[in-house]
Amino acid sequence: DGGITQSPKYLFRKEGQNVTLSCEQNLNHDAMYWYRQDPGQGLRLIYYSQIVNDFQKGDIAEGYSVSREKKESFPLTVTSAQKNPTAFYLCASRNRQGDYTEAFFGQGTRLTVV
Amino acid sequence: EDQVTQSPEALRLQEGESSSLNCSYTVSGLRGLFWYRQDPGKGPEFLFTLYSAGEEKEKERLKATLTKKESFLHITAPKPEDSATYLCAARNSGTYKYIFGTGTRLKVLA
Repeated sequence: DGGITQSPKYLFRKEGQNVTLSCEQNLNHDAMYWYRQDPGQGLRLIYYSQIVNDFQKGDIAEGYSVSREKKESFPLTVTSAQKNPTAFYLCASRNRQGDYTEAFFGQGTRLTVV
Repeated sequence: EDQVTQSPEALRLQEGESSSLNCSYTVSGLRGLFWYRQDPGKGPEFLFTLYSAGEEKEKERLKATLTKKESFLHITAPKPEDSATYLCAARNSGTYKYIFGTGTRLKVLA
């Protein structure tokens, strides 16, 4: 079945550590996104990529980094510079063939600072 | 600035009690209005794409409509399994970003 796989489902980070969240898709989509979700807030865009080897900062990119070396993969690193990383992280992808296409989401990774 | 606002924040309905959720948007050059359902601890599940004012889409007990300023998600005779958070998102013509509202938490009581 085609879809988006995020791993791990739960992740615990110690203060000062970098952690990497995985996002893999087999939908053959060019565009991929990372969102952060906090209680009572809408999804906020961290980074997005329209094509391999290219990505742009979203609205809350500080303390995060990404890479896009393969079409299928868009990992997100939460660095020690991110002061409040505890949140639910969602990866999404979109088919760029068409102006009105919807985004499809993975099942999320819940990151907790311990 | 592009913005999407959803109301109410939370809604409790008795089983069979129909209602509507609202999504107001201010987006330049709308390139789609999207509805998603999100269950606790899960990723959003795509429901509908609306392309232009006047359009309607239906799926089981859900019907989505679109005007030039807002979209409604009508829920007819809801069941407890319809309980979830419903998210609305819009894309504009200048960027590739989806702008999300904060969602409506729906609880349907048996």
